[in-house]
Amino acid sequence: DTEVTQTPKHLVMGMTNKKSLKCEQHMGHRAMYWYKQKAKKPPELMFVYSYEKLSINESVPSRFSPECPNSSLLNLHLHALQPEDSALYLCASSQVDSGGELFFGEGSRLTVL
Amino acid sequence: GQNIDQPTEMTATEGAIVQINCTYQTSGFNGLFWYQQHAGEAPTFLSYNVLDGLEEKGRFSSFLSRSKGYSYLLLKELQMKDSASYLCASKAGGGNKLTFGTGTQLKVEL
Repeated sequence: DTEVTQTPKHLVMGMTNKKSLKCEQHMGHRAMYWYKQKAKKPPELMFVYSYEKLSINESVPSRFSPECPNSSLLNLHLHALQPEDSALYLCASSQVDSGGELFFGEGSRLTVL
Repeated sequence: GQNIDQPTEMTATEGAIVQINCTYQTSGFNGLFWYQQHAGEAPTFLSYNVLDGLEEKGRFSSFLSRSKGYSYLLLKELQMKDSASYLCASKAGGGNKLTFGTGTQLKVEL
C-alpha cells in the first residue's frame, strides 16, 4: 500500500464552522506533513510531525490546529477560517530520514464562504 | 532562508528533449528534489540529488552543482503525458522541511 488517503476530497464551510481534514497512510512512515497549495502556486509547508510529535510549525495561524493521534493518522482541525484560506490542502508522509521523498495524498479542496 | 527560481513556462515537441533549470539559495542546503504535478493531482516524486553530478532514472535525469546552486531536470523522448508542472524543491538542514519553487509548467506539443 503506497497510498496516502485524504478525506474529504471537497469541503465547503462558512467562517463560523468547525471542520476537520483527515489523512491516513499505512506505509509505516513516521513523518507526516500538511501543505497548503493555492492555484498555480507551489505547495507551502504548514506543519511537520515526526514520530507523532509536532516538529515544524511554519507560523501558521491558530485557526488551523493539527493533530497526530497515531503513526498512521493526521488531522487538521479548522475553525473560524477566512475566505483567503480557500485552497487545496495536501497531506504527505515520508520516512523520517528519507531525504525528501514525500508521498502526497490527492488533497482536500477547501472553500471558505 | 531559501530562494528557488525556475522558469514559469516551457513548451517542447513530442519526442524531443527538454531541460528545466532551477537555481537555489538555501542556507544549510541538504538536497535538491524534483516533483511532477499534473493539473488537479498531487505532486509525485521524480528525483533527488544531494551530491554533485547526474542521476539518471529512465527518461528522466537530474543534475546538481552545489557550488553554483544549480540543478536541472532533463526529460528525454518527450510524451504528451509529460505535460505537467515540474517543481524544484530544496531541503535545508537535517529536518524534513522541503521548500518548493513556483514550478515550471511544461507543455508538450505534437
